[in-house]
Amino acid sequence: NAGVTQTPKFRILKIGQSMTLQCTQDMNHNYMYWYRQDPGMGLKLIYYSVGAGITDKGEVPNGYNVSRSTTEDFPLRLELAAPSQTSVYFCASSYAGAGTQYFGPGTRLTVL
Amino acid sequence: AQTVTQSQPEMSVQEAETVTLSCTYDTSESDYYLFWYKQPPSRQMILVIRQEAYKQQNATENRFSVNFQKAAKSFSLKISDSQLGDAAMYFCAYRSGGGSNYKLTFGKGTLLTVNP
Repeated sequence: NAGVTQTPKFRILKIGQSMTLQCTQDMNHNYMYWYRQDPGMGLKLIYYSVGAGITDKGEVPNGYNVSRSTTEDFPLRLELAAPSQTSVYFCASSYAGAGTQYFGPGTRLTVL
Repeated sequence: AQTVTQSQPEMSVQEAETVTLSCTYDTSESDYYLFWYKQPPSRQMILVIRQEAYKQQNATENRFSVNFQKAAKSFSLKISDSQLGDAAMYFCAYRSGGGSNYKLTFGKGTLLTVNP
């Protein structure tokens, strides 16, 4: 079972570049999430989706966009990358109401 | 807004001994869930244990157990018979039982070292 997969594992961007972080889950979960983890901190929610075609902002959405065209995929787009977006990004999924979120392995992004 | 506090940035334990990691939270809700996640150097977030607030019985998963004190808003994790593989960052997390996004609110984590 693959669970939640994320690509790439590592990426270095220059200031002003754009990129898309990919996330796919094969558990048929309707809820999906993007978190970021800054050094020495817990995770903070960027965006979430309650199903295909439905997305909403979390705590720290500025500088990011998301889309959810299928149940399985929830890509996160960074436009005009800034050094403040240097972080580790985690995608997660869950059944609504089930409570437990399952996480992907993370993407370490550095913006120079 | 809910907050989660882990007051121990670092802890250490001898192999085979027991260690307790502390977590307190602040909420005005009565329906919620609490979690402990483990993050080893591989960076993967791994669920250790989960507690529903409406359950009085403390959750247990093999060598891992919690002491859930609802009135005190305390949720500590006890690791028995510690193993070298338990070395990791441990995060306490809160999730509302209602609302629309079910987001997790995390503490800052406790780094656990296991000494052979």
